[in-house]
Amino acid sequence: DTGVSQDPRHKITKRGQNVTFRCDPISEHNRLYWYRQTLGQGPEFLTYFQNEAQLEKSRLLSDRFSAERPKGSFSTLEIQRTEQGDSAMYLCASSLAPTNNEQFFGPGTRLTVL
Amino acid sequence: DQQVKQNSPSLSVQEGRISILNCDYTNSMFDYFLWYKKYPAEGPTFLISISSIKDKNEDGRFTVFLNKSAKHLSLHIVPSQPGDSAVYFCAARVQGQNFVFGPGTRLSVLP
Repeated sequence: DTGVSQDPRHKITKRGQNVTFRCDPISEHNRLYWYRQTLGQGPEFLTYFQNEAQLEKSRLLSDRFSAERPKGSFSTLEIQRTEQGDSAMYLCASSLAPTNNEQFFGPGTRLTVL
Repeated sequence: DQQVKQNSPSLSVQEGRISILNCDYTNSMFDYFLWYKKYPAEGPTFLISISSIKDKNEDGRFTVFLNKSAKHLSLHIVPSQPGDSAVYFCAARVQGQNFVFGPGTRLSVLP
C-alpha cells in the first residue's frame, strides 16, 4: 500500500502527558499537511511542510503543538502537556505541488485525553 | 466565522436516485474547490475538484457545479449507490493559501 500512513491509529493518554504522532506521506509527494478534526466538523488546518521546510505554522493551536519533517519524508506532530480539549482526530495529508492540488489523507490518529 | 458552509448535516436518498449535496462559501477570493468523501475510521478520500474558471466538472457518476455569483457549489451523484453512504466535505482555497473545509454532510443511500 503506497498511501499515506499514520501511527498510532489510536492514542489514549492522561492529561499533562506528551504525545507524538507520525505520518508517512506518499513517497513522491513534497507537501505534507496536518489537520485536526473534531466531532461534527471538517478537517481544520494546522500546519504544512514543503519538503523539510515548515511553510505555515501560525494555525497551530497553541505553543504546546509542534511539528517536524527533518528529512523531508515522514513528519511528527507533538502535543505537550495534553489537555482534554486536545481530544480529536489528527489527520495527515500529502500532495505533489505545484502540479496537483488534491491532498491525499491518511487514516488519522484518534487522540483521547483523560 | 465559517467560510465554507454545508447547511444540511444529513441527507437520505433512495438507491438509483440523484443525490445533491450543497456547499456555500463566503470568500469571493476562493479559486479552487474540492469534494471529499469520508467513511468511518478512514481519512477523507478525494472525489472531484473544480476551478473557479469553470462552472461544471464531471467524473463518472459525480458532477460538481459551481455558481460563483451565488457563492454556491453542489455535488451531484447519479445514480446513487449504497456504497456512496458516507460523510461528504467540500473544501475551498484562495490561491497560495490552504484549504478550508466545511463541516460535512452525511449521505445515506437507502437500498
